[in-house]
Amino acid sequence: SYVLTQPPSVSVAPGKTATMTCGGNNIGVKSVHWYQQKPGQAPVLVVYDDNVRPSGIPERFSGSNSGNTATLTISGVEAGDEADYYCQVWDGSSDHVVFGGGTKLTVL
Amino acid sequence: EAQLLESGGGLVQPGGSLTLSCAASGFTLSGYPMIWVRQAPGKGLGWVSSINSGGSILYADSVKGRFTISRDISKSTFYLQMNSLRDDDTAVYYCAKGAGIPWHFDLWGRGTLVSVSS
Repeated sequence: SYVLTQPPSVSVAPGKTATMTCGGNNIGVKSVHWYQQKPGQAPVLVVYDDNVRPSGIPERFSGSNSGNTATLTISGVEAGDEADYYCQVWDGSSDHVVFGGGTKLTVL
Repeated sequence: EAQLLESGGGLVQPGGSLTLSCAASGFTLSGYPMIWVRQAPGKGLGWVSSINSGGSILYADSVKGRFTISRDISKSTFYLQMNSLRDDDTAVYYCAKGAGIPWHFDLWGRGTLVSVSS
């Protein structure tokens, strides 16, 4: 089955740029979606189809996808961005929804 | 405003059964794919099962043969019947609404906790 690999943690100072990766075999040909989950809360979609922001998501959130790595970037990081972030794809070969293991973003 | 509300979680012994419900409001259930996702304590998200707008059903290998997803369009509710529960089924279970092709999930419920323990 298809595997998505995310680094367990990323730390960034307020106002700086956070970059979180999601690795997968030839992931560049898939549509990648990203979710933010704060403690005790349900996930929230922050980017879909590689680089599209849902209504209400700040422009600070952006995504890209190429080769074997998809990336979620948060510019001008704020304390409220501290959360777990998960990438997700559809694996057509197995008809499975696949999530990455998640990255914990810490704002220093 | 579109909303999802899960119910039916609780404490159950290993080998037991439980049925979760997800009530949808603010949109037509039959028009969208719907999924169940679970999150074990301190762990990441894991897909459990999905039902598309046409009623086709898929399961994760870990629950195939034990869990059954279904929907009642007249009640705007879909369900997850869980049988032969194991300790490792302990998790918060979320329902979510799908969108787009391939699917992403743009609306989530708040989750319901299932604890499997003797």
